[in-house]
Amino acid sequence: SYDLTQPPSVSVSPGQTASITCSGDKLGDKYACWYQQKPGQSPVLVMYQDNKRPSGIPERFSGSNSGNTATLTISGTQAVDEADYYCQAWDSNTGVFGAGTKVTVL
Amino acid sequence: QVQLQESGPGLVKPSETLSLTCAVSGYSISSGYCWDWIRQPPGKGLEWIGGFFRSGNTYYNPSLKGRVTISVDTSKNLFSLKLTSVTAADTAVYYCARRGAAAGTGVDYWGQGTLVTVSS
Repeated sequence: SYDLTQPPSVSVSPGQTASITCSGDKLGDKYACWYQQKPGQSPVLVMYQDNKRPSGIPERFSGSNSGNTATLTISGTQAVDEADYYCQAWDSNTGVFGAGTKVTVL
Repeated sequence: QVQLQESGPGLVKPSETLSLTCAVSGYSISSGYCWDWIRQPPGKGLEWIGGFFRSGNTYYNPSLKGRVTISVDTSKNLFSLKLTSVTAADTAVYYCARRGAAAGTGVDYWGQGTLVTVSS
């Protein structure tokens, strides 16, 4: 089975940059999506096709995907960005999620 | 405005079948997109269960070992999930979701989720 690996947690100071990685075998050959989930809420898509932002997602969110690693970057992180973030990719018509990264804004 | 709403029993006994329905409003299921079921055990991460693809094919997570069936009723604009032989490990919040048909487009609409507990 295909696996995606994310760090369990990332801490960032307000206004600084948070980078969340997602690693998988030849992930760069696939598309990666990213979801943000706050407690008690359904996930929200914040990045699709590696680096495209859905309507309504702030410009401080950006994405990249190359080699074995996809990265979600939050520039100028705000307190409202504190949440769990999940990457997702597809392997043989099977959706695969990373285990999630908790972003804490200190 | 597209809305998805899950419904079904909140409590299922071990070894029985979990059945959920997702009613879609604001968009016709037969018009395209893919329709997924995703779950999240309490305090844990997301797991893709399966989905009805725009091609007309249905695909499932192999980890669920043939216990899953997803069906679509275009006349009622809903899709359903059946998971057989449930155990406590199937306790989770179950989400229905709409996903873009093009590769890598992601889920743009989610239901609010429904908690299903497996317990005797």
